[in-house]
Amino acid sequence: GDSVTQMEGPVTLSEEAFLTINCTYTATGYPSLFWYVQYPGEGLQLLLKATKADDKGSNKGFEATYRKETTSFHLEKGSVQVSDSAVYFCALSSAGGSYIPTFGRGTSLIVHP
Amino acid sequence: DSGVTQTPKHLITATGQRVTLRCSPRSGDLSVYWYQQSLDQGLQFLIQYYNGEERAKGNILERFSAQQFPDLHSELNLSSLELGDSALYFCASSVAPDPRDTQYFGPGTRLTVL
Repeated sequence: GDSVTQMEGPVTLSEEAFLTINCTYTATGYPSLFWYVQYPGEGLQLLLKATKADDKGSNKGFEATYRKETTSFHLEKGSVQVSDSAVYFCALSSAGGSYIPTFGRGTSLIVHP
Repeated sequence: DSGVTQTPKHLITATGQRVTLRCSPRSGDLSVYWYQQSLDQGLQFLIQYYNGEERAKGNILERFSAQQFPDLHSELNLSSLELGDSALYFCASSVAPDPRDTQYFGPGTRLTVL
């Protein structure tokens, strides 16, 4: 079945540092890939998505590129802010799972001033 | 604010009891999803409704049931509660039935079973 593997956290960075959160997946066919963000005490929000190979999703300075050859969708940001502190979830939707999202376990990001 | 509301925010109850969680989707959204988030299982899809009809079912226990009403709000009923049912329960909504469409999540209901 479908699965998503994310790097374990927490990831702790100083403000303005470069961020990478790794995500790899296993799925049938050609899934759509997503990154969600969950701020403390809130529900998940869609951060960005990509629907086919080599697509780059981007939003609020975050980027992720759909890499079919490595089955990866790593999240990056060039300069993090304290306000980026949150939990980040990688997810996929595939035909094998009737397009219902499968989520990774989440990676907590803590950014210090 | 996603526009999705969930009540109550917190719920504390005892084993064996029954509770009802309520979700109001964003205005205009016809699809409602229920998810369970726990420390050991992560975020798991439970069930989807679209315009009043059940559309997809995930890892939902037989002790759990849901429905979507004509005004499109949804309720998740959890019965014969066990300690392991303690979790955050999220509702999400979207316009169309395709789960790949952007889903808007509510703030969640935290259920504690003692």
